[in-house]
Amino acid sequence: DAKTTQPNSMESNEEEPVHLPCNHSTISGTDYIHWYRQLPSQGPEYVIHGLTSNVNNRMASLAIAEDRKSSTLILHRATLRDAAVYYCILRGGFGNTGKLIFGQGTTLQVKP
Amino acid sequence: DTEVTQTPKHLVMGMTNKKSLKCEQHMGHRAMYWYKQKAKKPPELMFVYSYEKLSINESVPSRFSPECPNSSLLNLHLHALQPEDSALYLCASSRGTGDNYEQYFGPGTRLTVT
Repeated sequence: DAKTTQPNSMESNEEEPVHLPCNHSTISGTDYIHWYRQLPSQGPEYVIHGLTSNVNNRMASLAIAEDRKSSTLILHRATLRDAAVYYCILRGGFGNTGKLIFGQGTTLQVKP
Repeated sequence: DTEVTQTPKHLVMGMTNKKSLKCEQHMGHRAMYWYKQKAKKPPELMFVYSYEKLSINESVPSRFSPECPNSSLLNLHLHALQPEDSALYLCASSRGTGDNYEQYFGPGTRLTVT
């Protein structure tokens, strides 16, 4: 199963953009790139996912490198509520079985 | 409504007790999941149900017994647990098991085994 590499932690200032990187150099052509986040004392929350093209939704943007070996989750204007653990997950290695395998993720701190 | 509900929020049980965790969704999702999360660790998949049938058991000990009585409900029956089973138990659901589907998680049940 293709793995992802994320920084353990990042800091940002409130109301500034945040770019969360994810490396996945062994990604296969059918792997989707998913992002989830987990706020303190809550269950994980779906953020965004994509396959090849950049994606935007109301929560964030996902920028996928042309070779798909890396991606970046972009929070356009961080708020204190965005402080969470962000997980970058590849889905495709288990053939549509529903498996979602979480790595260690990036802990994002947002400073006022 | 994109909500997955879980009851109870907290549960304390002895090693000889039998208890059940309950999960419910009304989004018409046909896949449901149980995850276990220890403190400061990422969630770990335990079971996957697809169309009310168990499709994946990640080598979970038999003291954990899942049940899917209908498409909206998922239970996790607990019996003879050990203190190391203390964790946050998360339920999730999705439209299907395809890799393109996002999963919606409940808030979890925090279980303490004494």
